[in-house]
Amino acid sequence: EIVLTQSPGTLSLSPGERATLSCRASQSVSNNNLAWYQQKPGQAPRLLIYGVSSRATGIPDRFSGSGSGTDFTLTISRLEPEDFAVYYCQQSGSGSPPITFGQGTKLDIK
Amino acid sequence: EVQLVESGGGLVQPGGSLRLSCAASGFTFSAYYMRWVRHAPGKGLEWVATIKEDGSETSYVDSVKGRFTISRDNARNSLFLQLNSLRVEDTALYYCSRHGPSRSFDLWGQGTLVTVSS
Repeated sequence: EIVLTQSPGTLSLSPGERATLSCRASQSVSNNNLAWYQQKPGQAPRLLIYGVSSRATGIPDRFSGSGSGTDFTLTISRLEPEDFAVYYCQQSGSGSPPITFGQGTKLDIK
Repeated sequence: EVQLVESGGGLVQPGGSLRLSCAASGFTFSAYYMRWVRHAPGKGLEWVATIKEDGSETSYVDSVKGRFTISRDNARNSLFLQLNSLRVEDTALYYCSRHGPSRSFDLWGQGTLVTVSS
């Protein structure tokens, strides 16, 4: 099983600041199949980034993804009030289970 | 509108059964792998099961193998999850989701709540 560890658990920032969220995998992620999701209270997760760095349809360009192998980063260049939420990374590979999620990073308003 | 709408959740005793449904609309349902994901209280997201476009292949997380069955009816644009031998630890919000690019989940329903309790 590929375990994804997200850090920090909680990140407290102010609107306008830059957010950097980390996702570390216990093994190399296959074919760059690494995605990021945003989840707000009472809502389903929303796909932000797939394939490490490709933005999903309709996602603002202040969201960007980077990384390779076992270390991945989601960056929000300039936080808007609506960006405060929980963020999850997710990988797909050939292991068992083939799909795993990180435990999440909560982005709080400071 | 492109959407997924789950139904069928509820309160059930340990050892009981439920059948979850997911109605798809606004896209060619038969062209996509589909999945179920759950979110237990106070925990992270957990992939539960996947089914191929034509239903010929399925896969499950180990904790539900032999108890849960994923299926689909492409003529009715519907996805199903049969939950048998339910345990307290199966309590969660269950989401239906579509397989997206780079094996992501690019479309999610709002979820249906399953509570297993005596």
